[in-house]
Amino acid sequence: DAGVTQSPTHLIKTRGQQVTLRCSPISGHKSVSWYQQVLGQGPQFIFQYYEKEERGRGNFPDRFSARQFPNYSSELNVNALLLGDSALYLCASSFSSSTEQYFGPGTRLTVT
Amino acid sequence: AQSVTQLDSQVPVFEEAPVELRCNYSSSVSVYLFWYVQYPNQGLQLLLKYLSGSTLVKGINGFEAEFNKSQTSFHLRKPSVHISDTAEYFCAVTPNTGGFKTIFGAGTRLFVKA
Repeated sequence: DAGVTQSPTHLIKTRGQQVTLRCSPISGHKSVSWYQQVLGQGPQFIFQYYEKEERGRGNFPDRFSARQFPNYSSELNVNALLLGDSALYLCASSFSSSTEQYFGPGTRLTVT
Repeated sequence: AQSVTQLDSQVPVFEEAPVELRCNYSSSVSVYLFWYVQYPNQGLQLLLKYLSGSTLVKGINGFEAEFNKSQTSFHLRKPSVHISDTAEYFCAVTPNTGGFKTIFGAGTRLFVKA
């Protein structure tokens, strides 16, 4: 069975640009969560979506937004990129909002 | 609100020696507890979880952890480590009241030496 997939694997952007990251959950999973992992730190929670509705949001500015589609895939958008947005962005899926999460390999975003 | 403290940023250990990675947490509500492992340039892989029941939890790759409610700890142990266990280990908590704002610790780098 396919695990959680994310695209692209790597991305280089310039300050001020916008970026869209994509995530496909494991088949049958209805919840997707996004995390930011800065080098040397643990993942920081950004968003959780369940059944296409936002169920949780971390302490991130409004430049960060996300959505979940009818097929449960998800996109994370970041506007007006800053150097500090450089990180590994991880997507995780789960069957419901209260079961264990399975993580994708991440998208490495570099902002120059 | 929840918080997770991993007490050691790095743990060097010789191959075949036992290891313990320490994790303390604080929360005003009951939580689920997890340990994840991250190999270089990869995502996180679930090692084990505590949801309820027995406080001693066994996971993959010979790892186990014990939930101690009074000390709010969830330490990870392995009786004999291998070179291949070298990785970053993260402790995490999730409120069991619904929602999924999982909070991770800063991680412990386990370095197994030959």
